[in-house]
Amino acid sequence: DADVTQTPRNRITKTGKRIMLECSQTKGHDRMYWYRQDPGLGLRLIYYSFDVKDINKGEISDGYSVSRQAQAKFSLSLESAIPNQTALYFCATSDSSYSNQPQHFGDGTRLSIL
Amino acid sequence: SQQGEEDPQALSIQEGENATMNCSYKTSINNLQWYRQNSGRGLVHLILIRSNEREKHSGRLRVTLDTSKKSSSLLITASRAADTASYFCATDASGANSKLTFGKGITLSVRP
Repeated sequence: DADVTQTPRNRITKTGKRIMLECSQTKGHDRMYWYRQDPGLGLRLIYYSFDVKDINKGEISDGYSVSRQAQAKFSLSLESAIPNQTALYFCATSDSSYSNQPQHFGDGTRLSIL
Repeated sequence: SQQGEEDPQALSIQEGENATMNCSYKTSINNLQWYRQNSGRGLVHLILIRSNEREKHSGRLRVTLDTSKKSSSLLITASRAADTASYFCATDASGANSKLTFGKGITLSVRP
């Protein structure tokens, strides 16, 4: 089983719909992140959470919200989806126990908004 | 805003050749990391180099860091078709891995 699991893997929906993307991890890491990837733009940080009670906005948080339900679960919501939110979304985790640690990524959710 | 800028944007080489990819960044960093992304998959961490290190090796990978020039290079030696992927550099300014800032990526194609 994957250490970082994202669901769904693919989603097609219509403008104005509310969408939730879910991420769960079995790595025991305290830090979790949501990124968006667009062609030619690399990854951009949407939100990040250092623990259950600590949530922070990233570079492009407008139009998104998050919930850290437990240490292992971090969900991303689009309250009213719009076509320019069509992208590939990634969840990642990292361990704060030591400095200079890498991030571990899920396989992504491909989201299309019509 | 993008901290890292990779160069070239795309690279095509023959199997067995070496591949060199470069990354430049703008502000001071604590470490720089390289990731690989295969088509349709998430990013996989390859190697991390701290700001006080100049060179690091991992298998066929060699990373260098020049903090005076704010640049890094990733060398893949004796490339294989399986190395075909996108490669990203990411910078960590804080060292606590609070946030990584990714470049736009390099597409590497290794021809059999």
